[in-house]
Amino acid sequence: QVQLVQSGAEVKKPGASVKVSCETSGYTFTAYYIHWVRQAPGQGLEWMGWIHPNSGDTKYAQKFQGRVTMTRDTSINTVHMELSSLTSDDTAVYFCARDPIPAGMDYFDHWGQGTLVTVSS
Amino acid sequence: DIQMTQSPSSLSASLGDRVTITCRASQSIRTYLNWYQQKPGKAPQLLIYDTSSLQSGVPSRFGGSGSGTDFTLTISSLQPEDFATYYCQQSFSHPWTFGQGTKVEIK
Repeated sequence: QVQLVQSGAEVKKPGASVKVSCETSGYTFTAYYIHWVRQAPGQGLEWMGWIHPNSGDTKYAQKFQGRVTMTRDTSINTVHMELSSLTSDDTAVYFCARDPIPAGMDYFDHWGQGTLVTVSS
Repeated sequence: DIQMTQSPSSLSASLGDRVTITCRASQSIRTYLNWYQQKPGKAPQLLIYDTSSLQSGVPSRFGGSGSGTDFTLTISSLQPEDFATYYCQQSFSHPWTFGQGTKVEIK
């Protein structure tokens, strides 16, 4: 079955960077877009961007342009999301999520369990 | 960016009630509207995509309708496992955006 398993919680200081991993299994890794969505405590969902694991192509929300980098490692079926110049506003649970159609439908049928990133001095 | 506005922000309902949640887009998104359910401490789960298509495994008491700017999620008979927060999401244009959520609580 399709599974997305994320790396563990992180605590970072303001100005630092964080890298969150999403290991996938149960399907052809290179065929489906992976998106990143975050959720601040008690708040709603915010789309950050996507990566296509085959080509490495990415598209980021303008809000995160210049601060976010999404990469993939096809040898271990894993995508990474790195966010730099962290502030307290980046404290959130970060989710990876799979697009259900290879051509990209831009909704999300399988999700990782979430990774809490806490930014605190 | 397309703004998605859900109403109500929360509601109280009893088991067996028919529940309706509304999602309004700031511009037409045709039928590129999806719904998710999220329980505390869990990832969202896809319920409905493309306005009215039921995701595999989702009970038939969930239904979606609408087009353009106005959309509805309906739960025909509320069950104990349906108490959760529901989000709409548009997939018409970047950046993909979500509504603020509707929390369904037990009356």
